[in-house]
Amino acid sequence: DTEVTQTPKHLVMGMTNKKSLKCEQHMGHRAMYWYKQKAKKPPELMFVYSYEKLSINESVPSRFSPECPNSSLLNLHLHALQPEDSALYLCASSQWGTGLGETQYFGPGTRLLVL
Amino acid sequence: GQQLNQSPQSMFIQEGEDVSMNCTSSSIFNTWLWYKQDPGEGPVLLIALYKAGELTSNGRLTAQFGITRKDSFLNISASIPSDVGIYFCAGLIYNTDKLIFGTGTRLQVFP
Repeated sequence: DTEVTQTPKHLVMGMTNKKSLKCEQHMGHRAMYWYKQKAKKPPELMFVYSYEKLSINESVPSRFSPECPNSSLLNLHLHALQPEDSALYLCASSQWGTGLGETQYFGPGTRLLVL
Repeated sequence: GQQLNQSPQSMFIQEGEDVSMNCTSSSIFNTWLWYKQDPGEGPVLLIALYKAGELTSNGRLTAQFGITRKDSFLNISASIPSDVGIYFCAGLIYNTDKLIFGTGTRLQVFP
């Protein structure tokens, strides 16, 4: 089973709202990732968690706040977003997060629209 | 952000034809991954390559990890309508968990 689940599937929010995206995997993976994908573009890495600790932040604005409550769950808290933040947000996981070339498995994504 | 050079950008082929696409980079990668993405969905892993020179098949798909570690190709044989979608190569930067994606190849298959 290589399933990563994400909720919600779609989200519409105003620029003053606070919302959260959720990601879950039950493969026993210890590394989890957030990616952002704009239309007609490839995914771009935002954050990496390894063993529940933030290991990579790709200079993402502070209005995006990741959280890893346990090894199966990954959240992305959103606050005061801008319309240009509208995109498909993808979660992924891999076995260890050791930097030794592990395969990453993606969830179906959350389509976010900021009005 | 950093992207890999992927070609062709799009392909329009007839059902039954073979397809070939490739990715090149100026950087060395220790893993190459090939994904397929349908509209509004997440990328689905097709093939993973871990060693330079490695040739791996998955059904009608065959991919190779270039010997220089800077390129990879994907072939699809006898294409069918459900092959339609966007294909991405992705390379893992050595000693990191950073996955860099290619620019994508949009495949359209006509019956």
